[in-house]
Amino acid sequence: DAMVIQNPRYQVTQFGKPVTLSCSQTLNHNVMYWYQQKSSQAPKLLFHYYDKDFNNEADTPDNFQSRRPNTSFCFLDIRSPGLGDAAMYLCATSRSLGAGEQFFGPGTRLTVL
Amino acid sequence: AQRVTQPEKLLSVFKGAPVELKCNYSYSGSPELFWYVQYSRQRLQLLLRHISRESIKGFTADLNKGETSFHLKKPFAQEEDSAMYYCAPLQGTYKYIFGTGTRLKVLA
Repeated sequence: DAMVIQNPRYQVTQFGKPVTLSCSQTLNHNVMYWYQQKSSQAPKLLFHYYDKDFNNEADTPDNFQSRRPNTSFCFLDIRSPGLGDAAMYLCATSRSLGAGEQFFGPGTRLTVL
Repeated sequence: AQRVTQPEKLLSVFKGAPVELKCNYSYSGSPELFWYVQYSRQRLQLLLRHISRESIKGFTADLNKGETSFHLKKPFAQEEDSAMYYCAPLQGTYKYIFGTGTRLKVLA
């Protein structure tokens, strides 16, 4: 089945230790998104890639970066995780901007010790 | 500031009872409106979008521009409807502004 895959599902890191979360898709969609969802809060868009064009949301901290080496893969890098970065990180894709529907991965739950 | 409000964190109804999940938004313009659902141990997925005017799994959503509301309704709740529901207006072409969600529990 075509889908959005996130690895790992659970990630534990130490305060200040860089961590990378991975997302891949078999949908061949042009757009990939990263969301942060803290406990009992709404998913919040961090940034998205439209093809190779990176678009950062204005309030996304500099600590968060992303890479998209090809259509299928997108990575979220957290350079120096703080305790406040503990959250569920959701990857999503859409066929294009304006397509409306986004397809979500299962999420990676990040714990910062 | 643009905001989405889902006033109920938890909504419990009995099987067969009507259910209404409330969503109010404060927005300029006419955003496209969506409901997303997350069943237990599953990923977030689209339930319905306003422009489709479809009924999905018995759910419908009525847009009231005057009240800026987009409530989700189902006349007879089923146990399999138990899930987390998010109202999500689309800002521009790609950015969802998700509400904080309502957890629906359908009791046997």
